Amino acid sequence: GEDVEQSLFLSVREGDSSVINCTYTDSSSTYLYWYKQEPGAGLQLLTYIFSNMDMKQDQRLTVLLNKKDKHLSLRIADTQTGDSAIYFCAESGRGNTDKLIFGTGTRLQVFP
Amino acid sequence: ETGVTQSPTHLIKTRGQQVTLRCSSQSGHNTVSWYQQALGQGPQFIFQYYREEENGRGNFPPRFSGLQFPNYSSELNVNALELDDSALYLCASSLGRGRPGYTFGSGTRLTVV
Repeated sequence: GEDVEQSLFLSVREGDSSVINCTYTDSSSTYLYWYKQEPGAGLQLLTYIFSNMDMKQDQRLTVLLNKKDKHLSLRIADTQTGDSAIYFCAESGRGNTDKLIFGTGTRLQVFP
Repeated sequence: ETGVTQSPTHLIKTRGQQVTLRCSSQSGHNTVSWYQQALGQGPQFIFQYYREEENGRGNFPPRFSGLQFPNYSSELNVNALELDDSALYLCASSLGRGRPGYTFGSGTRLTVV
């Protein structure tokens, strides 16, 4: 199947770390992505990881990939109120289109 | 460097009508994909265009069609609109197959009444 699954909600205190999890089904995926969507807006690419990597760090963001378990996570260090949004993981690389298969999104709420 | 721009931002149509949505790709990007995002859902792939030809299609009926022009801008056309077509339509451009990172526009919010 083409399911990419995420938990629906995450609530964290400002300054804490957030960890958003995702499971995917296609082991042949080439890239895995994290996108952020604020209310009424399009998708902002946060980071991506190539499937032969285990980890990628980009400032406050750390992506971990466990290919054996088909599990992807996004850690946001020192979470701020501006990080409140919906976060989508997506996989690509199937077939000729590189189409993105998205999860249902995790709504992150940051409270002071 | 300009990003991906979509027009219009909002649109209200009546069931049975036809609609055309437009997208200008990011400079240098030759691949355009369209996605439909229903309320509370993740985006669903509609189709992709590469160098003016359709290069893959998701599970959408033929009344969803598209075009890509020589300057790589694109249109999404939907005929015989249904209430369930109400959604945010997102356009995304990229450098081409195998190149990571799609850049998304802000979307067109279509409401069918």
